Amino acid sequence: KQEVTQIPAALSVPEGENLVLNCSFTDSAIYNLQWFRQDPGKGLTSLLLIQSSQREQTSGRLNASLDKSSGRSTLYIAASQPGDSATYLCAALFLYNQGGKLIFGQGTELSVKP
Amino acid sequence: KAGVTQTPRYLIKTRGQQVTLSCSPISGHRSVSWYQQTPGQGLQFLFEYFSETQRNKGNFPGRFSGRQFSNSRSEMNVSTLELGDSALYLCASSSIPGVAGNIQYFGAGTRLSVL
Repeated sequence: KQEVTQIPAALSVPEGENLVLNCSFTDSAIYNLQWFRQDPGKGLTSLLLIQSSQREQTSGRLNASLDKSSGRSTLYIAASQPGDSATYLCAALFLYNQGGKLIFGQGTELSVKP
Repeated sequence: KAGVTQTPRYLIKTRGQQVTLSCSPISGHRSVSWYQQTPGQGLQFLFEYFSETQRNKGNFPGRFSGRQFSNSRSEMNVSTLELGDSALYLCASSSIPGVAGNIQYFGAGTRLSVL
């Protein structure tokens, strides 16, 4: 069964701290892995997408890595800010019937304290 | 470029009723996927449509159905509503399904409450 797990479920850090969110997946046949941000009651905002042939992607203070062989991805947030407070979700894309299906982790709820 | 638009944003229904949710993808996108988000189960895949054809379906009962129109807009229907159907329903659009570099863009969702 294809599963995606995120650790920790919740994280509280002081402003300015660097932090790492973890994501693991059981099936290495992923096509890509996306990290999303979700604010309370809102939809998902795509942060970074790593294709299966890539090792990492960077956008501003965010860096995501992918290790297919170990079934892991990490999202690194540098110099965290209160505005980074949200739930972060990773999702692995698997191919079915020429289409795709995203399998999501349960998310990490991040709180950055001023 | 307008994003993914979902209507309505909020719905309140009673058990046994049916409901139709709408999703307009980003202009030029032909793939639409639907997801259900609940506190207990998290985000779960419902179905994916491309060029008016259902490509994939998640593990949901037949009460959940959908369709896609020639302009790529999609609707999702839930019949005989149950309390457990209360959730945030999210729609995502992408240009071409099954491509490694293909980002899925999500709408703000429709929050359905079943009383």
